[in-house]
Amino acid sequence: EAGVVQSPRYKIIEKKQPVAFWCNPISGHNTLYWYRQNLGQGPELLIRYENEEAVDDSQLPKDRFSAERLKGVDSTLKIQPAELGDSAVYLCASSLAGTYGEQYFGPGTRLTVT
Amino acid sequence: GQQLNQSPQSMFIQEGEDVSMNCTSSSIFNTWLWYKQEPGEGPVLLIALYKAGELTSNGRLTAQFGITRKDSFLNISASIPSDVGIYFCAGVGGTSYGKLTFGQGTILTVHP
Repeated sequence: EAGVVQSPRYKIIEKKQPVAFWCNPISGHNTLYWYRQNLGQGPELLIRYENEEAVDDSQLPKDRFSAERLKGVDSTLKIQPAELGDSAVYLCASSLAGTYGEQYFGPGTRLTVT
Repeated sequence: GQQLNQSPQSMFIQEGEDVSMNCTSSSIFNTWLWYKQEPGEGPVLLIALYKAGELTSNGRLTAQFGITRKDSFLNISASIPSDVGIYFCAGVGGTSYGKLTFGQGTILTVHP
C-alpha cells in the first residue's frame, strides 16, 4: 500500500515569493493534516481536514497561509508571500476517520526562504 | 496550550545497550504514541497506547501509558545502529482533540 506522498521534497525561494506544497494521503484515509516542523522541534499542526472540510485551522496563519482539499482526497498548502521565518519542513499526514492517534506521515517538504 | 516534556534530549549509547526515554505532561491525554524520525523523512509510528496502564511491545521496543494518563515511557532493548534517529512522544486528547501534540524529541546515537 502506498504511503502519504508529498511534493516537492525540497523548495528554495526568495522571501515574498509564493510557494505551494501538494499532498496525496493514503487511500481511504478521510482525515488529512498539515504540520510544520521547525528545526530541532516536534511537528505542530497547521490544519486538519475531515474529507473536504477544514475542521481545525486555528493554528494556520491565515494572513499568508491557505489550504484546500477540494475533492476530499489530495490537498494543497500555499504560502503567499513567504517570509524568512517560514523556513521549515512541512509535513502532511493522514488517518482513518476517528483514529486521530494513528497518523501516518509523508516525507515532508523542506522549505528554505532566502 | 498543552505541552509535552520529553527527556532526555539526547543519548549516546553503545550498541547492545538498553535505552529508556520518557514523556510527561501537565494535562491528561487519552492516547499516547511514539514516533521515530530519520533524517529527511517524516515521523514513523512505532507504538500507539490507548488505555492507562497499557504496556505494549513492538519487537525490541516497549512502551507504557502511565496510570495518571500524564506520562509515557519508551524502552529499546539491545540497541543496534539502525535505531539511530529522533524519537518523539505524542499525545491526543484533552484540549488537543483531533490533533497530535508532540514532545521535543530525543536524539539517539548508537555507537557500533
